[in-house]
Amino acid sequence: KAGVTQTPRYLIKTRGQQVTLSCSPISGHRSVSWYQQTPGQGLQFLFEYFSETQRNKGNFPGRFSGRQFSNSRSEMNVSTLELGDSALYLCASSFSVGRDTGELFFGEGSRLTVL
Amino acid sequence: SQQGEEDPQALSIQEGENATMNCSYKTSINNLQWYRQNSGRGLVHLILIRSNEREKHSGRLRVTLDTSKKSSSLLITASRAADTASYFCAPILLTSGSRLTFGEGTQLTVNP
Repeated sequence: KAGVTQTPRYLIKTRGQQVTLSCSPISGHRSVSWYQQTPGQGLQFLFEYFSETQRNKGNFPGRFSGRQFSNSRSEMNVSTLELGDSALYLCASSFSVGRDTGELFFGEGSRLTVL
Repeated sequence: SQQGEEDPQALSIQEGENATMNCSYKTSINNLQWYRQNSGRGLVHLILIRSNEREKHSGRLRVTLDTSKKSSSLLITASRAADTASYFCAPILLTSGSRLTFGEGTQLTVNP
């Protein structure tokens, strides 16, 4: 079974630009969540999607958005990039729904550098 | 959401020794999970322990959970250089969904 695939793995942008990151979950997983990891703030939850609906959202500005498609693939977008957006963006998929939160399967991440 | 706090922040041991990491949290949980992250990579799920369980084993891993003290520990026995990584705990509430809240983790270094 293929794991969680994130693209691109590395990218460099300049301030003010926007970026779109993609995540393909494990086949059969309907929940996709996104995390930002920086040296200063650690791992922070961005949002979670299930069946194309956003179920949970972290404390990030509106510049951070996401969506999920009918095949469970997800994208996240960051507009008007700032230097502080430089981070490792991790996507995770899960089969669990409802009350029982099972394990998350993480991708290798997309390393974004904003210059 | 519920955040776990890992302790110690850093741990350095020799190959073959055991490594123990602790996690504390503040409110009632449904289950607690441990993850490992090698530098710059994604997180890997290690083990899940439910609130009605006290101890769980998986290979060289042993996890305990004390809900009265709101704490958990992860023991890695006979450590190897390949165990060098950051370790995170994630206490899960019923309503968390996939919203896990991580602490700063324990950075484990196993010296050959």
